[in-house]
Amino acid sequence: AQSVSQHNHHVILSEAASLELGCNYSYGGTVNLFWYVQYPGQHLQLLLKYFSGDPLVKGIKGFEAEFIKSKFSFNLRKPSVQWSDTAEYFCAVNARRRDDKIIFGKGTRLHILP
Amino acid sequence: ETGVTQSPTHLIKTRGQQVTLRCSSQSGHNTVSWYQQALGQGPQFIFQYYREEENGRGNFPPRFSGLQFPNYSSELNVNALELDDSALYLCASSDERTYYGYTFGSGTRLTVV
Repeated sequence: AQSVSQHNHHVILSEAASLELGCNYSYGGTVNLFWYVQYPGQHLQLLLKYFSGDPLVKGIKGFEAEFIKSKFSFNLRKPSVQWSDTAEYFCAVNARRRDDKIIFGKGTRLHILP
Repeated sequence: ETGVTQSPTHLIKTRGQQVTLRCSSQSGHNTVSWYQQALGQGPQFIFQYYREEENGRGNFPPRFSGLQFPNYSSELNVNALELDDSALYLCASSDERTYYGYTFGSGTRLTVV
C-alpha cells in the first residue's frame, strides 16, 4: 500500500538551530515528492518538489530536501530556522503519471522558540 | 494568494444531516481532489475528479460523493453526517500534470454536533 511516514510529530527548536525533518515513503514505481507547509490559520503551500534530476532540491524560504532513492527518503532541511518557520510540515508523494493523487504523511508540527 | 476558493469557510451541522461543500478551481485546472484533514492529522485523500469523472477514490464510504462541473467548480457532498466527519475539508486542483503539484484552497471547517 502507498504510504508516507514522517518520523517526528512535534519538533521544538530555538532560532538559528538547524532543522532536519524525516520522511520515508512506500510507493511502487517512479515517484514525485513534495513538501507542503501549513502556517497557522493558512492554507497548504508547496514548499518544494522533486521530479527528476538533481536529488538535492531547493525550495522557498531557504528550505531544501534530498531524495535518497535507496532509502526511500526525502528529508527536509534548513541550516538556520527562524521564528516565522513555526508551522506544520507535510511530506507527500504521487506517482509520475498523469493525474495521480497525492498521499500525505501525518505531518510534523514545528515550533520555533524566539 | 491561492487560486482555489472554497465555501463556506466554516459550517456547523447536526448528526444525520447532509452537507455540500463547494470549490472553485483555477481556470484550466481540470483535475480536482478533495481531502479530509482531521485535527492533528495529515490530509486524507477522499476522491479525485478529472474532466467531470471520478478517477480515484480513497477509503471513504459512499455517503461521500462529489461532482465536478465544466466551469472548474466542484462539490463535495456528505450524507448522514457523523460526529467523526468533523474536520477541515480541502479542495486541491491541478492541470493534467499533477506531478507539478496541486494548488490547495483554504478549506472548509465542518463541525458536526
